[in-house]
Amino acid sequence: NAGVTQTPKFQVLKTGQSMTLQCAQDMNHEYMSWYRQDPGMGLRLIHYSVGAGITDQGEVPNGYNVSRSTTEDFPLRLLSAAPSQTSVYFCASSSSGRLEAFFGQGTRLTVV
Amino acid sequence: GQQVMQIPQYQHVQEGEDFTTYCNSSTTLSNIQWYKQRPGGHPVFLIQLVKSGEVKKQKRLTFQFGEAKKNSSLHITATQTTDVGTYFCAGRETSGSRLTFGEGTQLTVNP
Repeated sequence: NAGVTQTPKFQVLKTGQSMTLQCAQDMNHEYMSWYRQDPGMGLRLIHYSVGAGITDQGEVPNGYNVSRSTTEDFPLRLLSAAPSQTSVYFCASSSSGRLEAFFGQGTRLTVV
Repeated sequence: GQQVMQIPQYQHVQEGEDFTTYCNSSTTLSNIQWYKQRPGGHPVFLIQLVKSGEVKKQKRLTFQFGEAKKNSSLHITATQTTDVGTYFCAGRETSGSRLTFGEGTQLTVNP
């Protein structure tokens, strides 16, 4: 039981490049979400999903896409990276959106 | 949309002193959760409060949920160096499933 697994742990991108941050959970959780963490701003919700095939926008969705084709996976796509997307990204999952959220180890992304 | 505000942003204490962080929501919450993030780590769930006026304790940590279900607090008695980290509250609206985090309080403890 690995919990929530995020890859990669570190990534450097050039402005304009695209990439996908991977997130997988093996707890059969319905609810998954992506957050970005910037100094002094806490954790801001980017996108979330309440089940396979269902996604919705959070507070800061611009520049990011998500899909949820399976219960286990919830990838986050950066379409055209910008320096403002330099941040630490966390994926989280929980059961039925009501109980504790389990977080992945995070991806530290730098856009130059 | 829902906003969750947390104060203070930073708190420096001497080991043995008490510490409190406060959380306020712009809307009524169905529940509130507290998380701790160690430096360089990821948020880890501490507790969830559901009932109006609820108080829960975990050893030296005391969590309260306000009567109106719009505010909460975390109090640590006699801090230790192991308490170092950032403490986040996270609120869930009564009408939705989104979890909104506060900005966090970064606690440093001087030995």
